[in-house]
Amino acid sequence: DTEVTQTPKHLVMGMTNKKSLKCEQHMGHRAMYWYKQKAKKPPELMFVYSYEKLSINESVPSRFSPECPNSSLLNLHLHALQPEDSALYLCASSQGGGHMNTEAFFGQGTRLTVV
Amino acid sequence: AQTVTQSQPEMSVQEAETVTLSCTYDTSESDYYLFWYKQPPSRQMILVIRQEAYKQQNATENRFSVNFQKAAKSFSLKISDSQLGDAAMYFCAYRSLIYGGATNKLIFGTGTLLAVQP
Repeated sequence: DTEVTQTPKHLVMGMTNKKSLKCEQHMGHRAMYWYKQKAKKPPELMFVYSYEKLSINESVPSRFSPECPNSSLLNLHLHALQPEDSALYLCASSQGGGHMNTEAFFGQGTRLTVV
Repeated sequence: AQTVTQSQPEMSVQEAETVTLSCTYDTSESDYYLFWYKQPPSRQMILVIRQEAYKQQNATENRFSVNFQKAAKSFSLKISDSQLGDAAMYFCAYRSLIYGGATNKLIFGTGTLLAVQP
């Protein structure tokens, strides 16, 4: 199983809503990532978890709150978002732990629209 | 800081022909990985090919091959016998191997949109 599964595929939310994005992998990877991607742009890193600990936060606003409940799951909690936060949110995982096999496997993303 | 540059925003190729996508990068590090990712309209980023900087031999995966020139900091992707399914956005990416290794972030280029004409 080389899949990273993201749910939901599409999400429309109001600026006062609270919602969560979910990401799951069963490859035994110990590093998981959240990226934000605007149309026709490369992905921008938001957060990195290594062995379930937050290791990188790219100065992301606090209205985005990541959570890694266990080594297979990664959540992104959303609250009080702005319309400019509308984007494709990609989850990825890699072996982590200094392994030489460093490629990241990506999920299909959640298309988020903030209204 | 490392940077990745893709100077071709769009490319087009005829089916069954060969096309080369360019990528240059800037780094002061000696150990790193380079990747080409493909993102079709389905949105999923798919790894196409990987190159370790310490390896002189160019990586090859079926119809995909790279021309890795470490001194010139160049990493181009050649797609042979292009197929309609190759149409996608292609991103070149760099990953440092120091200060965290495999959890270091991928640094992406701006992408090249490849169209395949039947």
